[in-house]
Amino acid sequence: AQKITQTQPGMFVQEKEAVTLDCTYDTSDPSYGLFWYKQPSSGEMIFLIYQGSYDQQNATEGRYSLNFQKARKSANLVISASQLGDSAMYFCAMREVAYSGAGSYQLTFGKGTKLSVIP
Amino acid sequence: DTGVSQDPRHKITKRGQNVTFRCDPISEHNRLYWYRQTLGQGPEFLTYFQNEAQLEKSRLLSDRFSAERPKGSFSTLEIQRTEQGDSAMYLCASSVDRGLNSPLHFGNGTRLTVT
Repeated sequence: AQKITQTQPGMFVQEKEAVTLDCTYDTSDPSYGLFWYKQPSSGEMIFLIYQGSYDQQNATEGRYSLNFQKARKSANLVISASQLGDSAMYFCAMREVAYSGAGSYQLTFGKGTKLSVIP
Repeated sequence: DTGVSQDPRHKITKRGQNVTFRCDPISEHNRLYWYRQTLGQGPEFLTYFQNEAQLEKSRLLSDRFSAERPKGSFSTLEIQRTEQGDSAMYLCASSVDRGLNSPLHFGNGTRLTVT
């Protein structure tokens, strides 16, 4: 089974509008972390935001916020006031404590969503 | 913080040749990871180092792949007898040992094309 599911292969948003990118995850580990990364065409993965499984409040970082619904196992990324520079691939990733193996704390990534911002 | 550096950015090789990639992590980061990303997919974990010790390898890492991190600083990933299926972006990442919320910092990757 997929650990991270991103159901939107591609999304379009008008400049200055808000957009929500979906992410659902599957784990039986009570302690886990969720990350969002941005990958522009240049290839570098850029860390955006983090949400821990025990965090009581939704994470926010500037124009990025995370809509964390633990019972539904979803961690959707909300980008407010979209800019042309937001056009990129966006990846949701999860870190599990119990299943990290040798304490690697590796991240497991979804397949990504390609966001295109329209002027 | 100069970021994670990977070299080369692009590599074209013929099937059957050996290739080696280098990764220089952020200097104070003791954890180093290699990932592989194919077109239309997210990065997939290959292997992990804590300092100089290689502590975890994915089943994706066939015996043609070997990684080293001598002295716990830079790392190399070698692929022997390359196959066309090895064509991918190879990403290196590093992090500090800060627990669950410590993000991975990625380099720009090395794009390998096997002809």
